[in-house]
Amino acid sequence: GQNIDQPTEMTATEGAIVQINCTYQTSGFNGLFWYQQHAGEAPTFLSYNVLDGLEEKGRFSSFLSRSKGYSYLLLKELQMKDSASYLCAVRAISGTYKYIFGTGTRLKVLA
Amino acid sequence: GAVVSQHPSRVICKSGTSVKIECRSLDFQATTMFWYRQFPKQSLMLMATSNEGSKATYEQGVEKDKFLINHASLTLSTLTVTSAHPEDSSFYICSASQPGEGGEKLFFGSGTQLSVL
Repeated sequence: GQNIDQPTEMTATEGAIVQINCTYQTSGFNGLFWYQQHAGEAPTFLSYNVLDGLEEKGRFSSFLSRSKGYSYLLLKELQMKDSASYLCAVRAISGTYKYIFGTGTRLKVLA
Repeated sequence: GAVVSQHPSRVICKSGTSVKIECRSLDFQATTMFWYRQFPKQSLMLMATSNEGSKATYEQGVEKDKFLINHASLTLSTLTVTSAHPEDSSFYICSASQPGEGGEKLFFGSGTQLSVL
């Protein structure tokens, strides 16, 4: 089966650094994605890892360890507008591609 | 990134009516589109995978006769919620994948908030 876990909620202070973890157990793993979603809106793409290691993209970085079934999203220099849900998604191949989303982490950035 | 257009953004309908939601890839061809459902403060639940020119693949527990999916062209997929009931009220989001630098990525439509009275 497919199982993806993230913390439900996190709180951090403006200007700080926050790390959102994601663990997964999937068959046919073919990549891990992070999306940002504001309330009532569609998710927007943040980052993508298919190989082990760190991918850096401005204030956002994402890490993947396939052997541990583990990823994290690192947000630096937090801004108030970063308050949103962050979704971890795994792409799996089972005949065709399928994208499975985790429960999402609601991040609240405080002034 | 790629643009996926979804209409309507909001629908309010009476119980028993059918509602059609359209999902278009505007600047690329999408052989595969995905339909998700999302309840408040919950994550996206994959309902079905829509394949151009063939039948959709539904996830376990999703009624194919209730949620009709048609992917008639490389740029358009539709989801029809038939005989909608209040429990079908939800946020429905379509998405399409596009190959690109760094690999294939998933892009989302703006979502449709369905409210069934």
